[in-house]
Amino acid sequence: DVKVTQSSRYLVKRTGEKVFLECVQDMDHENMFWYRQDPGLGLRLIYFSYDVKMKEKGDIPEGYSVSREKKERFSLILESASTNQTSMYLCASESSVLTGNYGYTFGSGTRLTVV
Amino acid sequence: SQQGEEDPQALSIQEGENATMNCSYKTSINNLQWYRQNSGRGLVHLILIRSNEREKHSGRLRVTLDTSKKSSSLLITASRAADTASYFCATGRAQKLVFGQGTRLTINP
Repeated sequence: DVKVTQSSRYLVKRTGEKVFLECVQDMDHENMFWYRQDPGLGLRLIYFSYDVKMKEKGDIPEGYSVSREKKERFSLILESASTNQTSMYLCASESSVLTGNYGYTFGSGTRLTVV
Repeated sequence: SQQGEEDPQALSIQEGENATMNCSYKTSINNLQWYRQNSGRGLVHLILIRSNEREKHSGRLRVTLDTSKKSSSLLITASRAADTASYFCATGRAQKLVFGQGTRLTINP
């Protein structure tokens, strides 16, 4: 069964900490995405990547960075965590060949609380 | 930026009834997709309809798309308790998906 795996379901971090959220997919997908989900705001795109070492800003990149050193892994980095980054973070992937044909495969999400 | 807007925000029906959710969007699209999210989990892709298609079926799901009105609807027939979830429409443009805020569907036994 194809999978997108996010390393943590729940995470509690302190303000000012550097936080790494990891996402790994086993489908050899080129495209990977990071969203955050907040009540009343839906899903908002933070960053995405179409290939190794490539990254593009989404709608709300401020306070975040990403790393894609290997095709299967896409990491979201909170350089200095703040309480307004408390949220559910969702990683997704998609085959670039099948873009617009089959939709995204999502991970189970990481619920991050910054205290 | 929000593209799709689902209506209603919440829907509660009896098991066995049909559930209809609507989605409106603002700009031109390549495709429109529907996803389901069970409480606290990731999203699961349900169905995709391309901009040149008007209707699509998958099991108990029926999706319609009206590009002239920039709207779509998702119909779930013969609802079951397991259909209780949030449903999101997402519009595809420039290799990115933009999601609406979702409809919370509750199926009562």
